Amino acid sequence: EPEVTQTPSHQVTQMGQEVILRCVPISNHLYFYWYRQILGQKVEFLVSFYNNEISEKSEIFDDQFSVERPDGSNFTLKIRSTKLEDSAMYFCASSSGSQRAYTFGSGTRLTVV
Amino acid sequence: AQTVTQSQPEMSVQEAETVTLSCTYDTSESDYYLFWYKQPPSRQMILVIRQEAYKQQNATENRFSVNFQKAAKSFSLKISDSQLGDAAMYFCAYMNYGGSQGNLIFGKGTKLSVKP
Repeated sequence: EPEVTQTPSHQVTQMGQEVILRCVPISNHLYFYWYRQILGQKVEFLVSFYNNEISEKSEIFDDQFSVERPDGSNFTLKIRSTKLEDSAMYFCASSSGSQRAYTFGSGTRLTVV
Repeated sequence: AQTVTQSQPEMSVQEAETVTLSCTYDTSESDYYLFWYKQPPSRQMILVIRQEAYKQQNATENRFSVNFQKAAKSFSLKISDSQLGDAAMYFCAYMNYGGSQGNLIFGKGTKLSVKP
């Protein structure tokens, strides 16, 4: 069964540093998403991406964040100048657009120290 | 804005028994999707079951079924013949129908424990 692959599975970074979280969506999917889950809390939508541009973003997704699909297969989330409160599980997901297939990756646990 | 509420932070069930997890939501839309996702300790989000709001028939997937009450905006998950592997966090989620975004709105989750 096709999978969404996220790397790394766990990343530790110093406060103020930049991190890039990587995702490889399912190959024939057209819509890509990033979600965040702070430990013990609900999963929150960050951003959706379609046709090489952001289609929607939440209030959380401020100028600190950016997304990119640099090579047609990878989908990245960049967090600039990380803060302690950015520590969370970050999930990538992709969808064919039919809303019958919305697949999550295994997540990247980001720890900011 | 749409909201999803799960009023049971924790639930417990005996192995082989049946348990029902509650979910209510608020929306002014008439067409939408509802989902239950399972998050085991591995933290991966796994789709358990989905329901289209325009369908009156309740969705079922093996031991998992839902009770969808559109007028009451209620979407509960029933797990029959509970197994140890069912122990996980369960999230109820809502998605507007149509459009290109398909963003999910999650509830806070219910932690299900299964006792042997």
